[in-house]
Amino acid sequence: IAGITQAPTSQILAAGRRMTLRCTQDMRHNAMYWYRQDLGLGLRLIHYSNTAGTTGKGEVPDGYSVSRANTDDFPLTLASAVPSQTSVYFCASSDSGQGELFFGEGSRLTVL
Amino acid sequence: GQNIDQPTEMTATEGAIVQINCTYQTSGFNGLFWYQQHAGEAPTFLSYNVLDGLEEKGRFSSFLSRSKGYSYLLLKELQMKDSASYLCAVMDSNYQLIWGAGTKLIIKP
Repeated sequence: IAGITQAPTSQILAAGRRMTLRCTQDMRHNAMYWYRQDLGLGLRLIHYSNTAGTTGKGEVPDGYSVSRANTDDFPLTLASAVPSQTSVYFCASSDSGQGELFFGEGSRLTVL
Repeated sequence: GQNIDQPTEMTATEGAIVQINCTYQTSGFNGLFWYQQHAGEAPTFLSYNVLDGLEEKGRFSSFLSRSKGYSYLLLKELQMKDSASYLCAVMDSNYQLIWGAGTKLIIKP
């Protein structure tokens, strides 16, 4: 079934470690996004990419970086994890950047 | 600042009707979305409104009033599987989505 695949689904990480969350889509969507979801808060945009080769900062970009070398992949890297980055991370894509978002199943990250 | 407000939690009875409200204040408006999110799962798209009025899709309907900055999601003939969080999101003038914190809907038999 076509869609978005995230990996890992769950990870416990020591503070200070580097971590990359992977995201791959096979729908040939131009736009991709990384969100974090925390209890009591709405989804918050970390970084986005409107098309391969371009990226932009969202609402909460500090401590995170992304790359978009091709249409399908949009990895999110935490250079040096901190406990406040404990969250559920969702990758999403959309065809035009103006319509419906399709979400991956999420990556639950715990930073100790 | 930009803000989306929706109730934190609602309870309803199986077979009944429930209305989940969403009010917004955003920099511009390019549409309002409703998503459903079951516990531990990804959000999934339910509806999109860009013009005033009611959009009906089976048991679910969504209403928009742009002048009032207001939308609601109406769920009819509630089923136990409708127990989930319902997320309201507005696309602002920069085509960025602003998300509400979600409304957790509890369905009781």
